[in-house]
Amino acid sequence: DVKVTQSSRYLVKRTGEKVFLECVQDMDHENMFWYRQDPGLGLRLIYFSYDVKMKEKGDIPEGYSVSREKKERFSLILESASTNQTSMYLCASTQGLALATDTQYFGPGTRLTVL
Amino acid sequence: AQKVTQAQTEISVVEKEDVTLDCVYETRDTTYYLFWYKQPPSGELVFLIRRNSFDEQNEISGRYSWNFQKSTSSFNFTITASQVVDSAVYFCALSEAYKLSFGAGTTVTVRA
Repeated sequence: DVKVTQSSRYLVKRTGEKVFLECVQDMDHENMFWYRQDPGLGLRLIYFSYDVKMKEKGDIPEGYSVSREKKERFSLILESASTNQTSMYLCASTQGLALATDTQYFGPGTRLTVL
Repeated sequence: AQKVTQAQTEISVVEKEDVTLDCVYETRDTTYYLFWYKQPPSGELVFLIRRNSFDEQNEISGRYSWNFQKSTSSFNFTITASQVVDSAVYFCALSEAYKLSFGAGTTVTVRA
C-alpha cells in the first residue's frame, strides 16, 4: 500500500513564524503535491513537484514556498505565517501524470492554526 | 476555466437510506476525467472512482453507483443502503491537464 505521511496532524503557530510542513511518501513516486482545504472551497493546489528540486506553482502559491531535496520528501514552507493561512494542508503523491491511470494518494493532513 | 460544483453542502440520513450526491462540472476540454474521493474523519482522501469523458456507462461497485451524463455535465454518486461508516466528506474532481480541480465537497452524515 502507498503510504503518505505528514509530520504533524495538528500545529499551532504564531503570526510571523516560519513554518515547515513535511510530507514523506514511501512508493518512489515522481510527483508530489501540496493542497490546502478550506470549507466551501474544496482543495486548492499550492505547489507541485515533478522531480527532485523541480517545482511548479499551483493555483494559490502566494505566501508559500516548497523544497524537494529528496525524492520521497516534499516540504511546504510558510516564510512568515499569517492568520489567513490557518487551514488544513494535504500532501499527495502520484507516480505519473497520466490522469487516465495514475491516482493521487493523499496523506492524513495537517491542521494548521496561526494565532 | 474549469469548475466543479457540488451544490449540496451537507446531507444527513438515517442508516439504510439511499443518498445521492450531485456533481456538475464545466470544461472546454473534449477529453477529460472525473473523479470521486472520500475523506473520512481520519483525514486522508481515498480514491473511489475515475471516469473518462468518452465512457458514459453507469458503474456500480457494491453499494456505490455512479451516473455520468455528458449532456447535463453531471457525474452523480449514489450510496445505496447507507451505513454509519459512509459518514465522510465526498469530493468530486475534474482533470485539468495533470492537475485536479476539486468541488467544495459534500459532508454526509449517516445516523444509526
